[in-house]
Amino acid sequence: DSGVTQTPKHLITATGQRVTLRCSPRSGDLSVYWYQQSLDQGLQFLIQYYNGEERAKGNILERFSAQQFPDLHSELNLSSLELGDSALYFCASSPAGRDPGNTIYFGEGSWLTVV
Amino acid sequence: AQSVTQLDSHVSVSEGTPVLLRCNYSSSYSPSLFWYVQHPNKGLQLLLKYTSAATLVKGINGFEAEFKKSETSFHLTKPSAHMSDAAEYFCVVRDYRDDKIIFGKGTRLHILP
Repeated sequence: DSGVTQTPKHLITATGQRVTLRCSPRSGDLSVYWYQQSLDQGLQFLIQYYNGEERAKGNILERFSAQQFPDLHSELNLSSLELGDSALYFCASSPAGRDPGNTIYFGEGSWLTVV
Repeated sequence: AQSVTQLDSHVSVSEGTPVLLRCNYSSSYSPSLFWYVQHPNKGLQLLLKYTSAATLVKGINGFEAEFKKSETSFHLTKPSAHMSDAAEYFCVVRDYRDDKIIFGKGTRLHILP
């Protein structure tokens, strides 16, 4: 158990809909990362938050947005869903500071299927 | 710019034989390097990490990796493969300048009985 909790574990929704994925980082971790993993694209970095503020942005579509709340949990919002958005979405967390040796801990992921 | 190259997308070995998963990196500064494993339908689990201490790093489940700066490599090895090692393995590089975490494309390890 990594200590990173993601909900829901599985989600099936229709095209055009909007979903919210939730992530609770490990206790005390200030950094939260979101990744998308699909068969054709592999593991793609979406966005990173640090203590409530956006720190880095990767290959995140404009239809997607995220935020980190004061209690450090994070939500990834996916809107106007398309079939191609079907993927496993991972959240990861890491302790504070720019120590590159800080381990990144991953949740079990949220499986999103768009039909 | 940082980059990570996993040289093999698939590796097949027989149970009981050695495992070698290759990773080369590029970084202007002394990076930290990680190997993660992902079993089917599971999250990513840390196997081991290098953070500028000993160049030979021992991880969980009998895996180890050696940091070779001159070759910019961080290959993952295990003396004897088990069926339970069948999974996807990711090499990851990270440095302090921008806190970016770069993943390799992954190597799928198949264990033959």
